[in-house]
Amino acid sequence: KAGVTQTPRYLIKTRGQQVTLSCSPISGHRSVSWYQQTPGQGLQFLFEYFSETQRNKGNFPGRFSGRQFSNSRSEMNVSTLELGDSALYLCASSSDRAEQYFGPGTRLTVT
Amino acid sequence: AQSVTQPDIHITVSEGASLELRCNYSYGATPYLFWYVQSPGQGLQLLLKYFSGDTLVQGIKGFEAEFKRSQSSFNLRKPSVHWSDAAEYFCAVGYSGGYNKLIFGAGTRLAVHP
Repeated sequence: KAGVTQTPRYLIKTRGQQVTLSCSPISGHRSVSWYQQTPGQGLQFLFEYFSETQRNKGNFPGRFSGRQFSNSRSEMNVSTLELGDSALYLCASSSDRAEQYFGPGTRLTVT
Repeated sequence: AQSVTQPDIHITVSEGASLELRCNYSYGATPYLFWYVQSPGQGLQLLLKYFSGDTLVQGIKGFEAEFKRSQSSFNLRKPSVHWSDAAEYFCAVGYSGGYNKLIFGAGTRLAVHP
């Protein structure tokens, strides 16, 4: 089975812009979770989608949003980018309440 | 609130030596416990997991971990470390009411001396 894929792998944006990141889960997995990884805050949960519904949300501002499509692919969007949004964004997929498998991440740099 | 503590930020061991990475969690009920490993610039790879049952769990790459409810711990062990084990290791906790939300520890960076 193919693993979790994330596109793009690297991204450079300017403050104030918005960005969309994409995640394709392992075939058959209906849950997709998103995490932000920074040197200062570590790994933090953003949100989780299951069958196109957001089931859980972390403590991030409303600038961070996501969605899931009927084929389980997911996107996350960050609007009005700030320097502090520079991070590795990781997507993970799961069959449901089971172990999560992570993608390689998208490295976002905000200048 | 749930939390995970990895007391050791950096650990250095010699190749062939044994390894134990510590993990303590805070949660009222029985948690779901995981260890992940991350190489530089990469995503997270699942080493092993504990949901219920036998408290000693075996994982990939020769790793094992033991769940000790009385100590709220889930320490990762390996009897003989290889140079390729150098990476960052993360302990994570999930819980039945949190669906797939994982709380991660800060990580332990492992260096292996030849």
